[in-house]
Amino acid sequence: KQEVTQIPAALSVPEGENLVLNCSFTDSAIYNLQWFRQDPGKGLTSLLLIQSSQREQTSGRLNASLDKSSGRSTLYIAASQPGDSATYLCAVRYGGATNKLIFGTGTLLAVQP
Amino acid sequence: DAGVIQSPRHEVTEMGQEVTLRCKPISGHDYLFWYRQTMMRGLELLIYFNNNVPIDDSGMPEDRFSAKMPNASFSTLKIQPSEPRDSAVYFCASSLSGDNTIYFGEGSWLTVV
Repeated sequence: KQEVTQIPAALSVPEGENLVLNCSFTDSAIYNLQWFRQDPGKGLTSLLLIQSSQREQTSGRLNASLDKSSGRSTLYIAASQPGDSATYLCAVRYGGATNKLIFGTGTLLAVQP
Repeated sequence: DAGVIQSPRHEVTEMGQEVTLRCKPISGHDYLFWYRQTMMRGLELLIYFNNNVPIDDSGMPEDRFSAKMPNASFSTLKIQPSEPRDSAVYFCASSLSGDNTIYFGEGSWLTVV
């Protein structure tokens, strides 16, 4: 069964700290992996997408890495800010013929001012 | 573009009543997805359409759930009869072939009492 797991489930850090969120998947034959952000009461916003042939992607203070062989991805957030507080979800897409995404359970991040 | 539009945003209904959730995807997108989010199970894909045709409905929990897409700009998810365990946030999302980005609506918050 294709499963996606995220740890930790919740994380609280002081403002300015660098942090890492983890995502693991059971089937390494992925097509791509995405990181999303979800604010309370809102939908999901795509942050970064890594194709299976890529090792990492960067956008501003965010850096996502992918290690297919070990079935893991990390989202690194540099110099965290209170505005980064949200739930972060990773999602794996298997197979290029479909846009079906399998989501992890998310990490709830709180950045304390 | 207005993004993916869902209605209603919030609904409270009594057990046994019919519930209809509506979605307008982003114009020009050919994929439409219905997801359900709960604390216990996270985000689950219920069904998705490609060019208005249902492709994978394996996530639909039971016969009480049905989804239609009569045209490229409208889809419904119906629950009949509704049960308290159906209480969740239902998200609609859309994407375009060849574009890996998926766009989510803000969700319909359903409470069945």
